[in-house]
Amino acid sequence: QKEVEQNSGPLSVPEGAIASLNCTYSDRGSQSFFWYRQYSGKSPELIMSIYSNGDKEDGRFTAQLNKASQYVSLLIRDSQPSDSATYLCAVRPAGGTSYGKLTFGQGTILTVHP
Amino acid sequence: GAVVSQHPSWVICKSGTSVKIECRSLDFQATTMFWYRQFPKQSLMLMATSNEGSKATYEQGVEKDKFLINHASLTLSTLTVTSAHPEDSSFYICSAPPPGPRRTDTQYFGPGTRLTVL
Repeated sequence: QKEVEQNSGPLSVPEGAIASLNCTYSDRGSQSFFWYRQYSGKSPELIMSIYSNGDKEDGRFTAQLNKASQYVSLLIRDSQPSDSATYLCAVRPAGGTSYGKLTFGQGTILTVHP
Repeated sequence: GAVVSQHPSWVICKSGTSVKIECRSLDFQATTMFWYRQFPKQSLMLMATSNEGSKATYEQGVEKDKFLINHASLTLSTLTVTSAHPEDSSFYICSAPPPGPRRTDTQYFGPGTRLTVL
């Protein structure tokens, strides 16, 4: 079982729709969860971070965390063509000596078509 | 916000040669930096953790003698790919956690270095 697993893509949604991206993780002690967006040929950029159960909203983006189910999701409302990218779920493992060390999921390719 | 730079942004080299990639934190000190590798259509895989003033910590399966990491100052870490081969062609990305109380927060990523080995 992969440590961080994302729903297989690619995901295609029409402009203006809600895009839903999902991620599960295996380390029950994980405390920090992140969603990154990566355009082709570029490095990842942080979209959302979430640390507590529940929802966290930032503009058109909403991250949801359920630690009991070891599940984190990202909703993108009013999707735009510029949102077309690969979305990476990242989890910071519990414990360890390297602060900031992240484990990434395999990514979900999102395409928003006009 | 904090900025991390990488140099070069892309490099093409012949098989058997060595290539050095630099990662710099521009406006903050980074005692720890991370090196990732990303093959086409795959996710980021952590290669090693670079520690200022001490040896790097390599992830399982990463050859430490092939991927030499030096973190000689608080703002610079280097990754040297020794005796590069075509299978080493990849996108190499470094990152650093923010300093101070937010060091358990996420990481600042460099723009990446595209390595092509002919």
